[in-house]
Amino acid sequence: GESVGLHLPTLSVQEGDNSIINCAYSNSASDYFIWYKQESGKGPQFIIDIRSNMDKRQGQRVTVLLNKTVKHLSLQIAATQPGDSAVYFCAEMGSGGSNYKLTFGKGTLLTVNP
Amino acid sequence: NAGVMQNPRHLVRRRGQEARLRCSPMKGHSHVYWYRQLPEEGLKFMVYLQKENIIDESGMPKERFSAEFPKEGPSILRIQQVVRGDSAAYFCASSPRTGASGANVLTFGAGSRLTVL
Repeated sequence: GESVGLHLPTLSVQEGDNSIINCAYSNSASDYFIWYKQESGKGPQFIIDIRSNMDKRQGQRVTVLLNKTVKHLSLQIAATQPGDSAVYFCAEMGSGGSNYKLTFGKGTLLTVNP
Repeated sequence: NAGVMQNPRHLVRRRGQEARLRCSPMKGHSHVYWYRQLPEEGLKFMVYLQKENIIDESGMPKERFSAEFPKEGPSILRIQQVVRGDSAAYFCASSPRTGASGANVLTFGAGSRLTVL
């Protein structure tokens, strides 16, 4: 079945280091991906998105890379800060008549050590 | 703009009771979505509603669960005769339009955490 999943459940980094969170997906027809950040006790917060006609997109301190050949995407956070500590989810948004439905992966817990 | 408001934030129910979770979308948003998050899992889509209409309820369990978004007032997710497996965080999101224009217009609430004893 279609799924979006994470390679690693936890990631611990030192403050100032770069973080890389990975995600694999199985539906080759997927064309829109989103990264969310969820802090404890809060709802998911949009970070960055990418469509399948791109292989890289940059935001403020974050970069998303998409490799459609191996159905893999990653989130890179530069100069990780304690405030980046959270669970990060990749998600795929449906297309066509389902262009509202998000399918989430299980998440990666990022811990930033001071 | 207060964002997406969900209440209660925490709800405890005994098996067999009813749970009602409320969601007020952001001002100007007419699309509401409910997601369920089990412990240490990602969110799972449940239902998509517009005012007075259920657009997609493919993620709703066939029994005991219902949702509405009346013309006036918040959207309600109702769980009848709760069981322990219903314990989860229930998130509501709203958007001014469907996702074709991007997920950045979709805003999640802080969630309602249901505990069934």
